[in-house]
Amino acid sequence: ILNVEQSPQSLHVQEGDSTNFTCSFPSSNFYALHWYRWETAKSPEALFVMTLNGDEKKKGRISATLNTKEGYSYLYIKGSQPEDSATYLCASNFGNEKLTFGTGTRLTIIP
Amino acid sequence: DTGVSQDPRHKITKRGQNVTFRCDPISEHNRLYWYRQTLGQGPEFLTYFQNEAQLEKSRLLSDRFSAERPKGSFSTLEIQRTEQGDSAMYLCASSLGQGTDTQYFGPGTRLTVL
Repeated sequence: ILNVEQSPQSLHVQEGDSTNFTCSFPSSNFYALHWYRWETAKSPEALFVMTLNGDEKKKGRISATLNTKEGYSYLYIKGSQPEDSATYLCASNFGNEKLTFGTGTRLTIIP
Repeated sequence: DTGVSQDPRHKITKRGQNVTFRCDPISEHNRLYWYRQTLGQGPEFLTYFQNEAQLEKSRLLSDRFSAERPKGSFSTLEIQRTEQGDSAMYLCASSLGQGTDTQYFGPGTRLTVL
């Protein structure tokens, strides 16, 4: 069974603070790592797709890194804003088309 | 480009009834995926299509579930003789091509079986 795990499960962060969370996955058969942001009542929004060890991607205040040898990815949010409140999902392809998702990190920004 | 759309957004049904959901992918995306999310879990893969061909089905997809993509555009997911355990969010996604491509998700259909 190929499991993708995320931690922490939930997180409360003061507005303006920076934060990060983790996605771990088996390094065997690794194909790609995807990050999504999912706000309530909306579609999951694609943030990043990363494939190569050492990849770093950035989108505004959000960035992500990838370590395929040890099987983890970090998502960073700099200067959190209320609109960052959402569930952040990571998912991996393991040599096939389907995405295997973690259970998500629920982020709440406290004004 | 209006993104992936799903209809209905919410469905409440009684146990034993049949339900059908529709997904309209982003135009020209040849891959279409169905996932299901239950409370406290991440989305789980159900099935996917390349154009009109259904290429993979999860063991989660029992005989009561059937999915079609007859013209390689929109897709339907039907659940026959619904059970309370079918209550979940059903998500559809589409992508241009291979596994490293971004899968773009619709807003989902939330099914409640009473």
